[in-house]
Amino acid sequence: SAVISQKPSRDICQRGTSLTIQCQVDSQVTMMFWYRQQPGQSLTLIATANQGSEATYESGFVIDKFPISRPNLTFSTLTVSNMSPEDSSIYLCSVDGTSGVTSTDTQYFGPGTRLTVL
Amino acid sequence: AQKITQTQPGMFVQEKEAVTLDCTYDTSDQSYGLFWYKQPSSGEMIFLIYQGSYDEQNATEGRYSLNFQKARKSANLVISASQLGDSAMYFCAMRARYSARQLTFGSGTQLTVLP
Repeated sequence: SAVISQKPSRDICQRGTSLTIQCQVDSQVTMMFWYRQQPGQSLTLIATANQGSEATYESGFVIDKFPISRPNLTFSTLTVSNMSPEDSSIYLCSVDGTSGVTSTDTQYFGPGTRLTVL
Repeated sequence: AQKITQTQPGMFVQEKEAVTLDCTYDTSDQSYGLFWYKQPSSGEMIFLIYQGSYDEQNATEGRYSLNFQKARKSANLVISASQLGDSAMYFCAMRARYSARQLTFGSGTQLTVLP
């Protein structure tokens, strides 16, 4: 199984500021996914990040608000820009189960970043 | 498009008893995978079990088993011998196997195990 770490684990931020969340995987993966979980809700996909190409965003999410970087096969960042209280959520990165760069039928999540915006 | 429905917002079970969490799905994909995750209050998503749409046998992982009924489009999770540590939110999810790899989640079921 893939071991995924995220930084920070939690943060409290002021309205109008930005926060960059890091996701590190212990093996090379082709696809990385960023999800948002608003309080009391299920998970919603923000975007899919492939190394060497622009991230693909889901409906309702835009690059200016949630810029993503994917500089290599083990790392990605998600920035939450110009934050408002509505951005208070858990942000989770996820990867396919890995065998080298081959995807398998499992999908694993990082521990999440719990963001509170005041 | 894919859709996951979990109709039980909350469930209670006595310790050491078995419990079934319901999940129905809808998809136009011919090949797909079904997942169950556990989310304790800490917020992490813990992978429990996976079932492929073409797997002939129901998946099992320790105390977890997936009751897969393809014709009824259901993928219920059965937890045997419940433990207090099983108290958490449980999410059913699915994805297409060969195209888009992102997961679609249900709304979740909050399970409480009573001593």
